[in-house]
Amino acid sequence: ETGVTQTPRHLVMGMTNKKSLKCEQHLGHNAMYWYKQSAKKPLELMFVYNFKEQTENNSVPSRFSPECPNSSHLFLHLHTLQPEDSALYLCASSQQGPAYGYTFGSGTRLTVV
Amino acid sequence: RKEVEQDPGPFNVPEGATVAFNCTYSNSASQSFFWYRQDCRKEPKLLMSVYSSGNEDGRFTAQLNRASQYISLLIRDSKLSDSATYLCVVNQVGGSQGNLIFGKGTKLSVKP
Repeated sequence: ETGVTQTPRHLVMGMTNKKSLKCEQHLGHNAMYWYKQSAKKPLELMFVYNFKEQTENNSVPSRFSPECPNSSHLFLHLHTLQPEDSALYLCASSQQGPAYGYTFGSGTRLTVV
Repeated sequence: RKEVEQDPGPFNVPEGATVAFNCTYSNSASQSFFWYRQDCRKEPKLLMSVYSSGNEDGRFTAQLNRASQYISLLIRDSKLSDSATYLCVVNQVGGSQGNLIFGKGTKLSVKP
């Protein structure tokens, strides 16, 4: 399997639930990212991992908790979310450095009820 | 000033038309520029990188004007399948320079 794979594709969760989003890349990239895309807003960078070390946390609330066990896998653990957290969550990977574009996964469409 | 600004559109054009999008960026030290395409309810996909000398890929031409800090995308002979949102993307300056900043996107609708 190639590219960036995200699971699940859709997720509905209550505000008291705990769930996790998974991302896996088979491109040999060194960097992985979580982005949030809400309606009528640009993509918002949430977290960055380079060589499985977190290098950026873009003021994201603690109810979102990332985990990167190795350079190919990235998780986003969710707990006690709010309805306004409903959005499309996109994982991406790239080679490290400003010259490289990203490859995105298909995203997880999250609805918090 | 927003880091990356685009006209949200929508641009409604007939098949075969030529359409151009512009994008401005705020930080003159940015080094990497891209156009991404995003179809409805899908993930963004890299359309093309934008080089200082300008570059062309088939019907698509990208230009960079560093002095004015804007990037353009020209689409010639529009096809129905070109209907999508086009995202202007610039690398972040400071911090981790591999991070990309996305514009809100310009929506294009090509009609028969």
